[in-house]
Amino acid sequence: EVQLVESGGGLVKPGGSLRLSCAASGFIFTTYNMNWVRQAPGKGLEWVSSISRTSHYINYADSVKGRFTISRDNAKNSLYLQMNSLRAEDTGVYYCAGRYCSGGNCFYYFDYWGQGTLVIVSS
Amino acid sequence: QSALTQPASVSGSPGQSITISCTGNSSNVGNYIRVSWYQQHPGKAPKLIIYDVLNRPSGVSNRFSGSKSDKTASLSISGLQAEDEADYYCSSYTSNTTLVWVFGGGTKLTVL
Repeated sequence: EVQLVESGGGLVKPGGSLRLSCAASGFIFTTYNMNWVRQAPGKGLEWVSSISRTSHYINYADSVKGRFTISRDNAKNSLYLQMNSLRAEDTGVYYCAGRYCSGGNCFYYFDYWGQGTLVIVSS
Repeated sequence: QSALTQPASVSGSPGQSITISCTGNSSNVGNYIRVSWYQQHPGKAPKLIIYDVLNRPSGVSNRFSGSKSDKTASLSISGLQAEDEADYYCSSYTSNTTLVWVFGGGTKLTVL
């Protein structure tokens, strides 16, 4: 059974830091480009960051560039998001999501999603 | 403000059909077939229901279908069932250099 399990969320003060983790199982982690997607309370989905299978290619949304760092450990089948200088607008549920890659091509959709971890930035 | 525009809500009675639109621009929907749709029930993770405009993943009901015309993609659901009541999001790859993926603001489907 495919599982993506996020952890590390919680309540943090503005300016603080958190590190999110996503543990993958039930599929070959190294065949997936991994992403973080967030959802503010009562709002829509927002793509945050992506990392390629070998960590060679990394992208960030403008809203988090310079503050968030995505990484992965293929030996541990894990994805991470280091979040620094947190702001109130970073509050929301953070999902890890995967895009399957075959050979040199990655598909253009997220077929695996975790259940999310809640981040609340408030004083 | 989301990069892709969806109606905030749609509704239909059981057995009826509905369509949800998703309008973008030439840097996303208008220039790519890389449009996908996700269904999200309250408190749950999003679930892929359509990819590459019109393809259904294995296990997704054939009551769900997708299409695209110019800068607008559409999700249609036929034979509405109570379990279809959920939020629906469209997504597209984008050539915008500051973003890689964009989502719509979501559409709340109510089955009356």
